[in-house]
Amino acid sequence: SAVISQKPSRDICQRGTSLTIQCQVDSQVTMMFWYRQQPGQSLTLIATANQGSEATYESGFVIDKFPISRPNLTFSTLTVSNMSPEDSSIYLCSVEGRQGRNEQFFGPGTRLTVL
Amino acid sequence: RKEVEQDPGPFNVPEGATVAFNCTYSNSASQSFFWYRQDCRKEPKLLMSVYSSGNEDGRFTAQLNRASQYISLLIRDSKLSDSATYLCVVNPLGGNTPLVFGKGTRFSVIA
Repeated sequence: SAVISQKPSRDICQRGTSLTIQCQVDSQVTMMFWYRQQPGQSLTLIATANQGSEATYESGFVIDKFPISRPNLTFSTLTVSNMSPEDSSIYLCSVEGRQGRNEQFFGPGTRLTVL
Repeated sequence: RKEVEQDPGPFNVPEGATVAFNCTYSNSASQSFFWYRQDCRKEPKLLMSVYSSGNEDGRFTAQLNRASQYISLLIRDSKLSDSATYLCVVNPLGGNTPLVFGKGTRFSVIA
């Protein structure tokens, strides 16, 4: 499986500020995904990061709140804008697995606390 | 009805026990199925894919019943290190498309 890193691993932020999370993969991948896992909950997809085009957002998530960049096939960023305590969560990026297997592998996550 | 439903547990069993986790999914056209394991404060990690014919990996056996839209995971001879949350995961569209996660089943093996 690919080696995926995320930065920062954790952060504590003030209400109203923004945080950009980076996801780096050690190989080229077509698809990258951003998920959120709120305390005690399972994972919810925020958006699919498409290389060379705008991200595709799931219902309930908008570009103004969660802008995403995908400048190349090994890197993506997710920004959490104008944060509120409700944004406190773990944010995870994932990438496709082996060709034809439909698996996904996850980065270690970014644990965000908004005060 | 939620897309993927699991019993949240917790399941607490002694070492050596056999335990089964179940999961149902709502989209009958779903293409791919997986069990992921998530340890506390860690990312989910793929445990195994689930195939229509059923598949086994050591002490772990996964089965899929498409007619009933039901997935199971059997763990035999439970070890302390098996303690984790087990996530039932479905890929409704197939290919490299987003996954849908169940809320997970919490599982603890007790010495």
